[in-house]
Amino acid sequence: ILNVEQSPQSLHVQEGDSTNFTCSFPSSNFYALHWHRWETAKSPEALFVMTLNGDEKKKGRISATLNTKEGYSYLYIKGSQPEDSATYLCAPTNYGGATNKLIFGTGTLLAVQP
Amino acid sequence: DGGITQSPKYLFRKEGQNVTLSCEQNLNHDAMYWYRQDPGQGLRLIYYSQIVNDFQKGDIAEGYSVSREKKESFPLTVTSAQKNPTAFYLCASSMQGAGTYEQYFGPGTRLTVT
Repeated sequence: ILNVEQSPQSLHVQEGDSTNFTCSFPSSNFYALHWHRWETAKSPEALFVMTLNGDEKKKGRISATLNTKEGYSYLYIKGSQPEDSATYLCAPTNYGGATNKLIFGTGTLLAVQP
Repeated sequence: DGGITQSPKYLFRKEGQNVTLSCEQNLNHDAMYWYRQDPGQGLRLIYYSQIVNDFQKGDIAEGYSVSREKKESFPLTVTSAQKNPTAFYLCASSMQGAGTYEQYFGPGTRLTVT
């Protein structure tokens, strides 16, 4: 089973602050990386699926970068808002698999204070 | 509305009883998944199915069983052999593919066994 690490475990920021967090994963045989946002009392929501080294994806104020050679991805939130408060999960796939089997990290819990 | 439904939201059972958790999707997705969440841990894969009448064990399949008789439905049975069944269970689905398709999640079922 792969070791997927997310840091920090939790983060408290003020409204308007920009923030970022990290997902680390084994770089060998990498296939794809998923980012999800999980708000309290809701279902996890897919944010990005990234496959290529150097890939950068953006959705509104949220963006993500991917480094497959060193095995990490950063998620950035620009100008955090209270509605960004959620747990952010990353999950690489099962490496070479055609099964779409994701291995989830424990997440980064973001709290944005108004 | 397209999506994934799970029922019930909360489920209580006595130890030694089998219990079945429902998962239905109307997204026309080929692949479906069951995950379990425990405090302090990432989502862990129990079972997944890529096509009707076929399914594979995930990382923690012991004590669980599934069926996939219809494309829309992927019920999970928690048997009395599962040593620690109390947990939050999430169902997900995705288009068929090699790890590059987004996974869509249901709202989850919280199972408590006493």
